[in-house]
Amino acid sequence: DAGITQSPRHKVTETGTPVTLRCHQTENHRYMYWYRQDPGHGLRLIHYSYGVKDTDKGEVSDGYSVSRSKTEDFLLTLESATSSQTSVYFCATGRGSPYEQYFGPGTRLTVT
Amino acid sequence: AQRVTQPEKLLSVFKGAPVELKCNYSYSGSPELFWYVQYSRQRLQLLLRHISRESIKGFTADLNKGETSFHLKKPFAQEEDSAMYYCALYNNAGNMLTFGGGTRLMVKP
Repeated sequence: DAGITQSPRHKVTETGTPVTLRCHQTENHRYMYWYRQDPGHGLRLIHYSYGVKDTDKGEVSDGYSVSRSKTEDFLLTLESATSSQTSVYFCATGRGSPYEQYFGPGTRLTVT
Repeated sequence: AQRVTQPEKLLSVFKGAPVELKCNYSYSGSPELFWYVQYSRQRLQLLLRHISRESIKGFTADLNKGETSFHLKKPFAQEEDSAMYYCALYNNAGNMLTFGGGTRLMVKP
């Protein structure tokens, strides 16, 4: 499992509240990614990081921010949660092309 | 822009039947393609990648650049193959994966 953990694994929150999801890896992989998984859409990239303090936007970044202050941790923040952000969030790590990405167990977030 | 299309959301077959999960892509460069699988209540994991040309759990996939396809095939489906399958394309410029919408494979006894 490439030593990737996510916390919390489940969370229910109310519209308008901030939420932070954490991804932790023990593999010293350079690249880290946050995806959301929704039926019919597959996995869509939210933000990614190519090193400490180096991040960039993905396909669906609006309403999300990230931070990476250490190689092993990548945080995803929903600044003001909305119902459209109800989803399953996956963190992934990788060594870059041509190697595969390794996925965390996912966080199921429900925004009421 | 790169895109990955999996035209079938659900594919249902009987045990022992052949399986083909379709994947088409659009990409201007030289593609690097993967198949990932997600079994029930498990995390996504790599099934295979085209550059290694390997066969995992009886699955194979051939890159057809002319048809821009990377279909996943297995001659005889097993019940334990039931899962969600995602085709993914690597974007070298950003070291990112673009995923298709996924195909749920159900293998009936």
